[in-house]
Amino acid sequence: GENVEQHPSTLSVQEGDSAVIKCTYSDSASNYFPWYKQELGKGPQLIIDIRSNVGEKKDQRIAVTLNKTAKHFSLHITETQPEDSAVYFCAAISQAGTALIFGKGTTLSVSS
Amino acid sequence: GAVVSQHPSRVICKSGTSVKIECRSLDFQATTMFWYRQFPKQSLMLMATSNEGSKATYEQGVEKDKFLINHASLTLSTLTVTSAHPEDSSFYICSARGTGRSNNEQFFGPGTRLTVL
Repeated sequence: GENVEQHPSTLSVQEGDSAVIKCTYSDSASNYFPWYKQELGKGPQLIIDIRSNVGEKKDQRIAVTLNKTAKHFSLHITETQPEDSAVYFCAAISQAGTALIFGKGTTLSVSS
Repeated sequence: GAVVSQHPSRVICKSGTSVKIECRSLDFQATTMFWYRQFPKQSLMLMATSNEGSKATYEQGVEKDKFLINHASLTLSTLTVTSAHPEDSSFYICSARGTGRSNNEQFFGPGTRLTVL
């Protein structure tokens, strides 16, 4: 089955800096890679996703890149703000109809 | 759109009692719902996959007789924790995937915090 590794586990940046979180996956058949933001005591919220036929996707300050050959994908947050502080999870899905497999999460702290 | 609700948001119960958690898709029909469990400072661990009108598929290590899942309609799935014990205390989160949508995109509920005394 699919296995997703996520790094780093914690990340501290100054407001305005960029933050990058990286994930690798094991199943070459995986074709969908979402990123979720989870605030304390709340459910995960989808912030951006990418499919295997696309190499990069951007939405305002957030971007995701995918390298299918290397089987890794990354989340890039630019101009970070204190409200970006949260736990971020990457995930992968290898077959339609199956569940997402999550990375272990990255706690992002943005200090002002 | 794509809103998923859970009820209750928090529940405290005594050891040995059963607790039911509801997961509803509010603005779409969910052919498949997933139940996850999350311990503090850890990731989401899939417990089971629930398809409307059929039996749930449980992940290895998850007791199907302890965690009863019912997906009786296209907008509602329930998770019942039977004979709950303190070690069942956790954050339970459901997600739903709908008909007519990308068959990969999932939307998560806000979670239910279960505390067993």
